[in-house]
Amino acid sequence: EPEVTQTPSHQVTQMGQEVILRCVPISNHLYFYWYRQILGQKVEFLVSFYNNEISEKSEIFDDQFSVERPDGSNFTLKIRSTKLEDSAMYFCASGRGSQETQYFGPGTRLLVL
Amino acid sequence: RKEVEQDPGPFNVPEGATVAFNCTYSNSASQSFFWYRQDCRKEPKLLMSVYSSGNEDGRFTAQLNRASQYISLLIRDSKLSDSATYLCVVNINKAAGNKLTFGGGTRVLVKP
Repeated sequence: EPEVTQTPSHQVTQMGQEVILRCVPISNHLYFYWYRQILGQKVEFLVSFYNNEISEKSEIFDDQFSVERPDGSNFTLKIRSTKLEDSAMYFCASGRGSQETQYFGPGTRLLVL
Repeated sequence: RKEVEQDPGPFNVPEGATVAFNCTYSNSASQSFFWYRQDCRKEPKLLMSVYSSGNEDGRFTAQLNRASQYISLLIRDSKLSDSATYLCVVNINKAAGNKLTFGGGTRVLVKP
């Protein structure tokens, strides 16, 4: 069964550093998403991406965040200058259509020191 | 008011028993409803979609009450493996995206 994959599984970085989180969505999916979950809190929407552009973003997704689909398979989330409060689990998700089920990757646990 | 609100639990359930819990949502424009399951430090996994007429999947039954804006999940004949956090999820479908809004989750612990 196809699944969403994410790398790395864990990332530790210093405050102010740039990080890139990588995702490989399911191959025939067209809609891509990033969510995050701070430890002990709920899953929060960050951004949705369709047809090579952002279709919606949350208040969390400020100028420090960007997404890219650099080739036909990868979908990345970049945090330009990390802050302590960016420490969280970041989940990538994909879906075939806008109203289709979203399938989540295993997540990248980001720790900012 | 939170967009999606759930009783955090934990619900301590004897193995074989039935457990039920609800969630409420604030946005009347919400169009799609789901229950996801999340194990500790893992990704959310779709348990079932929730349809207006209610639906069942094996031991799991979901109900939707649009008038009162709540969704319920009932688990029959609980198994130890049902221990998890159950996430109530809603979205407002849009042509260009499908932002999911999550509740904080209801923790269920099934004990022998």
